[in-house]
Amino acid sequence: DVKVTQSSRYLVKRTGEKVFLECVQDMDHENMFWYRQDPGLGLRLIYFSYDVKMKEKGDIPEGYSVSREKKERFSLILESASTNQTSMYLCASSLWEGASYEQYFGPGTRLTVT
Amino acid sequence: SQQGEEDPQALSIQEGENATMNCSYKTSINNLQWYRQNSGRGLVHLILIRSNEREKHSGRLRVTLDTSKKSSSLLITASRAADTASYFCARGSNYKLTFGKGTLLTVNP
Repeated sequence: DVKVTQSSRYLVKRTGEKVFLECVQDMDHENMFWYRQDPGLGLRLIYFSYDVKMKEKGDIPEGYSVSREKKERFSLILESASTNQTSMYLCASSLWEGASYEQYFGPGTRLTVT
Repeated sequence: SQQGEEDPQALSIQEGENATMNCSYKTSINNLQWYRQNSGRGLVHLILIRSNEREKHSGRLRVTLDTSKKSSSLLITASRAADTASYFCARGSNYKLTFGKGTLLTVNP
């Protein structure tokens, strides 16, 4: 079975802190994605990566950056956390052409910025 | 919005009844996928239907796709309490999936 793991289930950070969210997948998938999920807004794509060191902006990239140095690992970085980044963050992976294949999700990280 | 809409936002039924959820969208798609999310957890893929398909089955799930109306429906037959979850449709185009806001299904024992 595909397994996507995220470094933390719950995280509390202070405004202005630099925050790293880590995601690891074990199925050699080319594509990896970061979403945030907020009540009433559904899932929104922040960034995705289709290969090592490659990245594309999603629908809401402002305030975020990403890093993919190894195929199995995709990191989401909040350079200076703000309270409006309090959210559930979900990582996912898929085979190439991510829209043509199912995405496998991690359990999520609930981030609170105070 | 390019996300489209899911309908209804919430649905409450009794165990054994069927549940139908609908999804509409505005832009062209390669495929449409349905996912389930149990409370506070990650999403789990249920079924994928390609743009040239009209109907697909998987166990108690039946999905239809009408590209002329830009709509899809998910039918869960003989529902169980364990089916209680949020259900999301996701429109597939290029590399990305675009998710709707979801339907919260509650199945009462």
